[in-house]
Amino acid sequence: QVQLQESGPGLGKPSETLSLTCTVSAYSISSGYYWGWIRQPPGKGLEWIGSIYHSGSTYYNPSLKSRVTISVDTSKNQFSLKLTSVTAADTAVYYCARQQSGYDSLYYYYMDVWGKGTTVTVSS
Amino acid sequence: SYELTQPPSVSVSPGQTASITCSGDKLGDTYASWYQQKPGQSPVLVIYQDSKRPSGIPERFSGSNSGNTATLAISETQAMDEADYYCQAWDSTTVVFGGGTKLTVL
Repeated sequence: QVQLQESGPGLGKPSETLSLTCTVSAYSISSGYYWGWIRQPPGKGLEWIGSIYHSGSTYYNPSLKSRVTISVDTSKNQFSLKLTSVTAADTAVYYCARQQSGYDSLYYYYMDVWGKGTTVTVSS
Repeated sequence: SYELTQPPSVSVSPGQTASITCSGDKLGDTYASWYQQKPGQSPVLVIYQDSKRPSGIPERFSGSNSGNTATLAISETQAMDEADYYCQAWDSTTVVFGGGTKLTVL
């Protein structure tokens, strides 16, 4: 059964770069699928950050694109998130997820396996 | 940018059917998915491709999508169904989530 686990510092300072890693178990990233990051500020809804294919192609949320980089390390079976110039507004639970995508009369794209999430607080 | 709109809250009596809507421009021209999130837990996929249920999701959960509205229906609602529900769609190269609906089972 595929499992995802987020890791990274739980606390950061304004203007710094946030770095998180998602480790995938029981499935080889290089075999396929998109892999993505989603966040949830305290008491608010879900916000998609971006996704990466095992080959390295990426899609980003336009509202975060200038600050986000998602990369994949197939040798470690991990993918990572870097978010630059963080502010208090970036305080959230950050989830990684496996994303199904394809075409079946229409294009589909959804997250079928999620990590447990990691809390990141940005504060001076 | 594409937006999905959900009612902030829906209430239902135990045993009745709860319906949660998700509205977006020409939403029926793409597939909608639905996620259930209980407090302190990760989201769980309950409906994908408008109306398909992942393994392990009860048949009480169903979905539809036409025109500008996707709907998640939960029949014979139980206390354990009380949660936040999020719709999600794909707009060209962007994943979009609705704002979420808190389902209360009274």
